[in-house]
Amino acid sequence: QVQLQESGPGLVKPSETLSLTCTVSGGPYWSWIRQPAGRGLEWIGRIYTTGITNYNPSFKSRVTMSIDTSKNQLSLKLSSVTAADTAVYYCAKERISVTVFDSWGQGTLVTVSS
Amino acid sequence: DIQMTQSPSSVSASVGDRVTITCRASQDISSWLAWYQLKPGKAPTLLIYATSRLQSGVPSRFTGSGSGTDFTLTISSLQPEDFATYYCQQSNSFPLTFGGGTKVEIK
Repeated sequence: QVQLQESGPGLVKPSETLSLTCTVSGGPYWSWIRQPAGRGLEWIGRIYTTGITNYNPSFKSRVTMSIDTSKNQLSLKLSSVTAADTAVYYCAKERISVTVFDSWGQGTLVTVSS
Repeated sequence: DIQMTQSPSSVSASVGDRVTITCRASQDISSWLAWYQLKPGKAPTLLIYATSRLQSGVPSRFTGSGSGTDFTLTISSLQPEDFATYYCQQSNSFPLTFGGGTKVEIK
């Protein structure tokens, strides 16, 4: 059973950097996905086990993903946050050979507020 | 980006009802369409991928169909545990995009 667990601060100030980690198993591709309150799901980007990334252009200038294979941890950093970045953030594992997500974390709520 | 449009945005139904949700892509995505179930506070669940392939462990009352731009998710006989929000997702091209969601509520 693949398990994923997101963690990080639940409150971030405007203009600062949101930082989340996700403890993972399986692989080799993982993504970060978010859901703003009352809205749909939004794919942020993905990372391969080697560290190669693929970002959604909507976030490209602000997002950084990395992986620490020794700790089985993903990292998401989103800079210059605003209230619009308030959302539940999920990490998810991709099903091999199909770019869909067959295992998800429970999500972590991040609120951007001063 | 490929836009995914779901309808209806919500549906009220009773246990035992047949429920159909549609998803339309803004361009041809072949069969690269998946469906997820979301419940508050729980990890989302993959139901169907590649339009009609049932993810392991998902009950057979969930079926998917379609191709090109128009797709459907059907729940043949709604069960109490099926009251949730459902999302489609295209995996034809990056960036990956999701529909706006359909909330299945108790009538």
